[in-house]
Amino acid sequence: AQSVSQHNHHVILSEAASLELGCNYSYGGTVNLFWYVQYPGQHLQLLLKYFSGDPLVKGIKGFEAEFIKSKFSFNLRKPSVQWSDTAEYFCAVNAAGTYKYIFGTGTRLKVLA
Amino acid sequence: EPEVTQTPSHQVTQMGQEVILRCVPISNHLYFYWYRQILGQKVEFLVSFYNNEISEKSEIFDDQFSVERPDGSNFTLKIRSTKLEDSAMYFCASSSSGKGQFFGPGTRLTVL
Repeated sequence: AQSVSQHNHHVILSEAASLELGCNYSYGGTVNLFWYVQYPGQHLQLLLKYFSGDPLVKGIKGFEAEFIKSKFSFNLRKPSVQWSDTAEYFCAVNAAGTYKYIFGTGTRLKVLA
Repeated sequence: EPEVTQTPSHQVTQMGQEVILRCVPISNHLYFYWYRQILGQKVEFLVSFYNNEISEKSEIFDDQFSVERPDGSNFTLKIRSTKLEDSAMYFCASSSSGKGQFFGPGTRLTVL
């Protein structure tokens, strides 16, 4: 069965620090990968997605993620975080050709001004 | 920008009662989904719906749950006889190609 692991549950950074949030999945076949963000009091928003091609994908708000197939990972990065990036971040996986999406447990990011 | 909308934003019900959660997906989307998030836990997939039928469902989506697209715009989730453990945030999502979903703001269901 598919599963998604986000090892960092809570991350606290100062503004301008670099961010990397880990995401690992377990599934042997082809996958589509996603990062979603949920700002306080708001709904889930798609940050970026990977289907195929260049394993380094760029999303909104300066975020990027790299798919490393050999490591079953899809880590989210941002070179310099801002206070407004304070939110919860969810990694999600969808096995290609299916309609089921599996979410990780989320990482709560707090950026200190 | 088009959005997924959900009503009500908060529903309080007694255990054993039926509830219907409503969603209006983005108009040209063809794939529809329901998720739930129990407080403090992860977002869990419930069901996906395409071409007027369920395309996939999770173990959570048992006989107490049903989904329907009664007209061209609404997409509903019905829980026949609510249990305390059904208390959660329920999110509807839609997508145009089955890849990359747009989520609604959620309905907070409280079962007393």
